Amino acid sequence: GQQVMQIPQYQHVQEGEDFTTYCNSSTTLSNIQWYKQRPGGHPVFLIQLVKSGEVKKQKRLTFQFGEAKKNSSLHITATQTTDVGTYFCAGFKAGNNRKLIWGLGTSLAVNP
Amino acid sequence: NAGVTQTPKFQVLKTGQSMTLQCAQDMNHEYMSWYRQDPGMGLRLIHYSVGAGITDQGEVPNGYNVSRSTTEDFPLRLLSAAPSQTSVYFCASSYTPGTGGEQFFGPGTRLTVL
Repeated sequence: GQQVMQIPQYQHVQEGEDFTTYCNSSTTLSNIQWYKQRPGGHPVFLIQLVKSGEVKKQKRLTFQFGEAKKNSSLHITATQTTDVGTYFCAGFKAGNNRKLIWGLGTSLAVNP
Repeated sequence: NAGVTQTPKFQVLKTGQSMTLQCAQDMNHEYMSWYRQDPGMGLRLIHYSVGAGITDQGEVPNGYNVSRSTTEDFPLRLLSAAPSQTSVYFCASSYTPGTGGEQFFGPGTRLTVL
């Protein structure tokens, strides 16, 4: 079963509001990846974090990897309608780099 | 580069029929995998391969077979389709699993089993 919990499952915001989704793993991860899936589309890679405590930014998106490498977050500042979609985290368990473990995703809806 | 391609895009089967979902990549990736996506269930790994001739089971392998005779192709076979296999199927590839790295996804196959 799923070993990476992702919350919230759904989030509905007004355009311009901020948005955050969180991932928590029961085991230590060697890395964490984030993907975005638009409605009707396929997952598209956003970023990978590898180091403990790592923070990366992509324009309005900020990604963090926890110190213990068991949790991660994606924060979007000032959401836009183009941010609509489902955001997934995924990671490889430390010592097992063959099976990517996925969170269930957070679906983001943005009201214009 | 075409990236990861999947055929067909849509398919309707009757219970008990068999079929093969095709997946190909032209990026010389060693690692390929098959997922199914159902509402509220996220992405579940069916089978994966770390190179030609090497395959292994994922989280939900029952009812599916795979083979990897070439680096480029990784077909998924449904042996005897069941309504529970109605889903969207995604194929993905990446360079090597050991270093993590970006997973490239195909556009998906939407399968309905009646």
